[in-house]
Amino acid sequence: QSALTQPASVSGSPGQSITISCTGTSSDVGSYNLVSWYQHHPGKAPNLMIYEGTKRPSGVSNRFSGSKSGSTASLTISGLQAEDEADYYCCSYAGSSTWVFGGGTKLTVL
Amino acid sequence: QLQLQESGPGLVKPSETLSLTCTVSSGSISSSSYYWGWIRQPPGKGLEWIGSIFHSGNTYYNPSLKSRVTISVDTSKNQFSLKLSSVTAADTAVYYCARHVVASDAFDIWGQGTMVTVSS
Repeated sequence: QSALTQPASVSGSPGQSITISCTGTSSDVGSYNLVSWYQHHPGKAPNLMIYEGTKRPSGVSNRFSGSKSGSTASLTISGLQAEDEADYYCCSYAGSSTWVFGGGTKLTVL
Repeated sequence: QLQLQESGPGLVKPSETLSLTCTVSSGSISSSSYYWGWIRQPPGKGLEWIGSIFHSGNTYYNPSLKSRVTISVDTSKNQFSLKLSSVTAADTAVYYCARHVVASDAFDIWGQGTMVTVSS
């Protein structure tokens, strides 16, 4: 079971859109629509932003959206705001009652 | 609003067993809609799923840690616990407990995390 692959960092200016990719394999992301995304401000608890690949929990801004193509899931943040600066992690069900996280992506709002 | 709080020693000696407890408040750990999970984050690294438990006691572990991990649940105290044996410096991390939704496989509520350092 290997960690999902995410870019180490992405950046964007306020108001712009960015996309963070999360690449897995046919054993995890490619086989299940069970990818979740988490926003993590250092020192705080991670916050669920997207579940089942595309669904937003109540209270999460509609600026956050998720998608999947093959074995790669993506998180898009539109209308970037300073408060979006954080680390973002994807997670996928990997079969046999196991789950795997991505290595994390640091988002910088310029 | 359901809350989770981790507790346990912040310092553990190499080769010993790390023990943490997560207390669930304002909600029942016995719900069939949720697992209860442990996730960790070593300094400067990403999140790693350690394992999850159902209120019935069914456990699910990360294969890479399975030989050293035991997760248990005490429904009478609304708590679940993590034991990690034979620890090394590589087990130094912030340890989080989280509610793990059965239907969506997402971790929807997290504790604040507790730092555990492995050092002599």
